[in-house]
Amino acid sequence: DSGVTQTPKHLITATGQRVTLRCSPRSGDLSVYWYQQSLDQGLQFLIQYYNGEERAKGNILERFSAQQFPDLHSELNLSSLELGDSALYFCASSEDPFRGTDTEAFFGQGTRLTVV
Amino acid sequence: DQQVKQNSPSLSVQEGRISILNCDYTNSMFDYFLWYKKYPAEGPTFLISISSIKDKNEDGRFTVFLNKSAKHLSLHIVPSQPGDSAVYFCAANNAGNMLTFGGGTRLMVKP
Repeated sequence: DSGVTQTPKHLITATGQRVTLRCSPRSGDLSVYWYQQSLDQGLQFLIQYYNGEERAKGNILERFSAQQFPDLHSELNLSSLELGDSALYFCASSEDPFRGTDTEAFFGQGTRLTVV
Repeated sequence: DQQVKQNSPSLSVQEGRISILNCDYTNSMFDYFLWYKKYPAEGPTFLISISSIKDKNEDGRFTVFLNKSAKHLSLHIVPSQPGDSAVYFCAANNAGNMLTFGGGTRLMVKP
């Protein structure tokens, strides 16, 4: 158990709909990352939040948005869903990544999103 | 632009032999490298890491080697066990930024 909790584990929805994926980071971790893995491909970085603020953006579509709340949990919102958005969405968390020390990210179990 | 590449999508080895997984990177600003292991339907789990100030880090059966001049790192697993069968991702980081992952290598260890 990595200590990172993602809900729900599975989600099936129709095209055009909107869903929200939730992530609770490990206790004490300030940074949250979202990744997408499609069809056994690599992990594509979507977005990073640090202590409530957006820190880095990767290949995140405009239809997707995220936020990190004061209690440090994060939500990834996916809207106007398309069939190609079907994927595993992983959340990861890490300690303060700006201390300059080596730190690894710990991943949740992922949310499998199926768009039909 | 793939900054971290794993050129072998799959690798098959016999139980007891050595598994060598390779990873190349292009960004010279990366200063911390990690290997993650992923089983189907599970999240990646951290395996081993190495700082750019080192060229080798060992943890039990797992050893990671870093060749900065070649921008290459490798993960050695010896002896390989059937339970090691999984997808292995290498990742690179520099302070404050997100992890950049390679595409993964599927390792199959045959009994």
